[in-house]
Amino acid sequence: GESVGLHLPTLSVQEGDNSIINCAYSNSASDYFIWYKQESGKGPQFIIDIRSNMDKRQGQRVTVLLNKTVKHLSLQIAATQPGDSAVYFCAENVGSYIPTFGRGTSLIVHP
Amino acid sequence: DAGVIQSPRHEVTEMGQEVTLRCKPISGHDYLFWYRQTMMRGLELLIYFNNNVPIDDSGMPEDRFSAKMPNASFSTLKIQPSEPRDSAVYFCASRPSITGRQFFGPGTRLTVL
Repeated sequence: GESVGLHLPTLSVQEGDNSIINCAYSNSASDYFIWYKQESGKGPQFIIDIRSNMDKRQGQRVTVLLNKTVKHLSLQIAATQPGDSAVYFCAENVGSYIPTFGRGTSLIVHP
Repeated sequence: DAGVIQSPRHEVTEMGQEVTLRCKPISGHDYLFWYRQTMMRGLELLIYFNNNVPIDDSGMPEDRFSAKMPNASFSTLKIQPSEPRDSAVYFCASRPSITGRQFFGPGTRLTVL
């Protein structure tokens, strides 16, 4: 059988629903954050970023919220589509843009 | 732009063999990163270069791993000798100096038997 390891958190949603993916970061000095999307068999792809002097940033169908008090980041996807099914990673950076990646969350969108 | 190019896309080799993974970053990008991804450990930064110079190789797991960037358009990651525990997907990524946004290649899936 499979060896013991860390299984990815999974979020299952229905097509058309809104999705919220959460990320707890570790370094209170982190000042720049990025969300990446990784589809099966592909490399991570940039979605949206936010700096620590902001608490919210919006893109096309996506919103990132940053709560520095509790070191928490979230990615909201509006009207989730089957093409949004992927693993989503948050990455934190301190100053020099050398990221530390989180474990990732698997999003499954059911039609 | 073709994006970051990696080769080969898949590599199957036997334990003890030398493996060389290749990467062509996006033209004009100053930074190049090598990552390893496994289910157990997630996405790990192995080494990164700035203007072809290795800056931080603290993520390279052992002396069996080495990386070079002889010019701005080419980098290699070499494993010699390879071991089964090296089996993973290896990603190369590049970015310009003015942004933290990285552009990832499609990855090389390495299987060491």
